[in-house]
Amino acid sequence: AQKITQTQPGMFVQEKEAVTLDCTYDTSDPSYGLFWYKQPSSGEMIFLIYQGSYDQQNATEGRYSLNFQKARKSANLVISASQLGDSAMYFCAMRAKAAGNKLTFGGGTRVLVKP
Amino acid sequence: DAEITQSPRHKITETGRQVTLACHQTWNHNNMFWYRQDLGHGLRLIHYSYGVQDTNKGEVSDGYSVSRSNTEDLPLTLESAASSQTSVYFCASSERGLPFAQYFGPGTRLTVL
Repeated sequence: AQKITQTQPGMFVQEKEAVTLDCTYDTSDPSYGLFWYKQPSSGEMIFLIYQGSYDQQNATEGRYSLNFQKARKSANLVISASQLGDSAMYFCAMRAKAAGNKLTFGGGTRVLVKP
Repeated sequence: DAEITQSPRHKITETGRQVTLACHQTWNHNNMFWYRQDLGHGLRLIHYSYGVQDTNKGEVSDGYSVSRSNTEDLPLTLESAASSQTSVYFCASSERGLPFAQYFGPGTRLTVL
């Protein structure tokens, strides 16, 4: 079975600073993908970034980067130069190849960016 | 532009009524999913489909059903609505395979009185 754990229920970050959101996962499947989604107060789920288990480099997408530590089974999201619009709920999710195309979500971390 | 839509966006119904939530995607994705989101539970998978005529139960499928008669649509039916089914419902779709993310619809807020 797959499991995703996000241990930070909420956090504050100062505008223009970087913030790291923790995500640990558990799977016995060697082939899997990790995804991060953003859910602003308006409610929609927005895909941010993807990391594959066989990817040699950490994924980056603009101000988002993924600190992937395979041996520790962690896939932390780093948001650089935080903006007020980054205030949202952030979800880590995993899809293991053996589980088909289903995603397993963590409980989420709420980020509030302070001006 | 391709998109995924849900209707209605808000629905209030009474206990015992049958309710159908619509999901329509123009991505031409084979995979479609229904989730519910509740405080304290995150997103939980209700049903999913990997193609036309294919449907599968997720972790919280009791009281829900889906059917897939074409690629674009996966309606979710609550056979006899219960107050415990008050939630926000999200539909999502994706291409097959690991690198491909699921893309979500805007959600439907359902209240069962």
